[in-house]
Amino acid sequence: GAVVSQHPSWVICKSGTSVKIECRSLDFQATTMFWYRQFPKQSLMLMATSNEGSKATYEQGVEKDKFLINHASLTLSTLTVTSAHPEDSSFYICSVEGLTGELFFGEGSRLTVL
Amino acid sequence: KQEVTQIPAALSVPEGENLVLNCSFTDSAIYNLQWFRQDPGKGLTSLLLIQSSQREQTSGRLNASLDKSSGRSTLYIAASQPGDSATYLCASNSGGSNYKLTFGKGTLLTVNP
Repeated sequence: GAVVSQHPSWVICKSGTSVKIECRSLDFQATTMFWYRQFPKQSLMLMATSNEGSKATYEQGVEKDKFLINHASLTLSTLTVTSAHPEDSSFYICSVEGLTGELFFGEGSRLTVL
Repeated sequence: KQEVTQIPAALSVPEGENLVLNCSFTDSAIYNLQWFRQDPGKGLTSLLLIQSSQREQTSGRLNASLDKSSGRSTLYIAASQPGDSATYLCASNSGGSNYKLTFGKGTLLTVNP
């Protein structure tokens, strides 16, 4: 299966600042990556689908100007939370689709906005 | 809109017991269904993937079944061990142009030594 790495694994920032989270596919060229968000005791919710070389597709209710996604290469997608606020505090996790349709996930990035 | 429900929300068993985790989904038109394990504060580890044309998949002590017509999947864990303690998530994949996973809230499993 694909090996997916996220960085940073956790980050604390002040309200109003921007935070960038990286998702790397270490052994697989991924034209598509998926970004999920998980609030405590809740299900993972798909935020957006990141497409290499083109614009991301956002799920309903997710602000594209607040959650900037860049998929500049087949191995790297980044999620930038702009002007973060305490309600953006969450666990952000990316995934890559394998050859058989199986999804492989990164270790996640926990964001805490003070 | 697909909805995925997992029952029970939490389960505590003694070591060595066999157990079944349940997952149900409302839309039977799925591409595949995947079971994951999530340890506290960690990412997801893929356990088993069942394609829509398959009935079950096995890996070691784990066996997952899929009944599309009834909208159900089960994850069977044999001879449970304390190391199996984690949250188990199931997710259905719509596939096609609407490719995405819909997750249940998970079952928190505790295996007591």
